Amino acid sequence: ETGVTQSPTHLIKTRGQQVTLRCSSQSGHNTVSWYQQALGQGPQFIFQYYREEENGRGNFPPRFSGLQFPNYSSELNVNALELDDSALYLCASSPSGANVLTFGAGSRLTVL
Amino acid sequence: GNSVTQMEGPVTLSEEAFLTINCTYTATGYPSLFWYVQYPGEGLQLLLKATKADDKGSNKGFEATYRKETTSFHLEKGSVQVSDSAVYFCALSLADRGSTLGRLYFGRGTQLTVWP
Repeated sequence: ETGVTQSPTHLIKTRGQQVTLRCSSQSGHNTVSWYQQALGQGPQFIFQYYREEENGRGNFPPRFSGLQFPNYSSELNVNALELDDSALYLCASSPSGANVLTFGAGSRLTVL
Repeated sequence: GNSVTQMEGPVTLSEEAFLTINCTYTATGYPSLFWYVQYPGEGLQLLLKATKADDKGSNKGFEATYRKETTSFHLEKGSVQVSDSAVYFCALSLADRGSTLGRLYFGRGTQLTVWP
């Protein structure tokens, strides 16, 4: 079975730009969560998607938004990028009703 | 609120040394507790978990016991190997009404380096 795959692995943007990160969940997993991991910090919960709807959100502004598709894959969109958005963005999937997550390797975003 | 506090790193050990990484937590409900490991360039992998007080999680020689009285979940290994070098994260998850199941609250991580 395939795990969680994320793309792109690395990208560089400038302040004010917009970015879209993509995630394919593990086979059989219908819930996707996104985390932001700043350098030297633990991951911080951004939001979770289940049945194509947001199902919980952390302390992130509205310029962080997401989508989940019928095949359970997901996107994270960040508008009006700020320098502090530079981080590793992790996607994790899980079966519904489970609290054990499978993480992807992440997308490293650098904002200049 | 909900939070996890880990001992500051980095931790540097010789091969076959004993490892302890301290983790304490604060939770508004009844958490499940986890240890995740992150190898360089990779995502987080679940190392072990415990879902209720006095449970012991174990995997690959690592162990941690859920201590409700001290709100702790310390990670231990009797004899570390060079291949254990990684960043270790303690985390909690709540399953209470109103919580997002699967939302993890992570500590800041502890970098472990093991020398041969």
